[in-house]
Amino acid sequence: QVTLKESGPALVKPTQTLTLTCTFSGFSLSTSGMRVSWIRQPPGKALEWLARIDWDDDKFYSTSLESRLTISKDTSKNQVVLTMTNMNPVDTATYYCARILTSGSFVGDAFDIWGQGTMVTVSS
Amino acid sequence: DIQMTQSPSSVSASVGDRVTITCRAGQGISSWLAWYQQKPGKAPKLLIYAASTLQSGVPSRFSGSGSGADFTLTIDGLQPEDFATYYCQQADRVPYTFGQGTKLEIK
Repeated sequence: QVTLKESGPALVKPTQTLTLTCTFSGFSLSTSGMRVSWIRQPPGKALEWLARIDWDDDKFYSTSLESRLTISKDTSKNQVVLTMTNMNPVDTATYYCARILTSGSFVGDAFDIWGQGTMVTVSS
Repeated sequence: DIQMTQSPSSVSASVGDRVTITCRAGQGISSWLAWYQQKPGKAPKLLIYAASTLQSGVPSRFSGSGSGADFTLTIDGLQPEDFATYYCQQADRVPYTFGQGTKLEIK
């Protein structure tokens, strides 16, 4: 069974750096083709993709947030970590990690398994 | 970035109805589109990928179609558990982008 779970602070102050950890089970990020992303959702708003890390350590970021984001993985711990610098109240959101669907052939990068999400509030 | 535009933003329907939601990409994305269902306080759930492939375990009343830039999600015979918000996502290339969502409400 594949599961993912996000963890991190529920409250951060403006200008601080947010560090979120996604701990997963049921697959390995060292397996060819495996990829994990972070996605967020402000209260009452739409989903916004943030970052992706691949089995071969390739990394990709949101165009608008690239300068503030860093994604990394610890394969031995089955974890993916996202850091976001200079947090602002507009960054208040539920943050999800999700696995990208893998198949023998390319079927598009859909997110097949999601964590439950972790709510982060940015406030002084 | 590829902009994704969903319509309508909300729709009211009754149990048993057929509902269609559309999603338009700002440029062609072949068949690389996914649909998700999200209920309040829950993570999104993948319904359809590659525009028309039903994810395992998803009821057959859900179907998807389209290619290029125009896509549709159809729910044929609405059930009470289908009232939720639906999102499309371009799954062609990074940066991935989502539609703004369609809230399906009970009439």
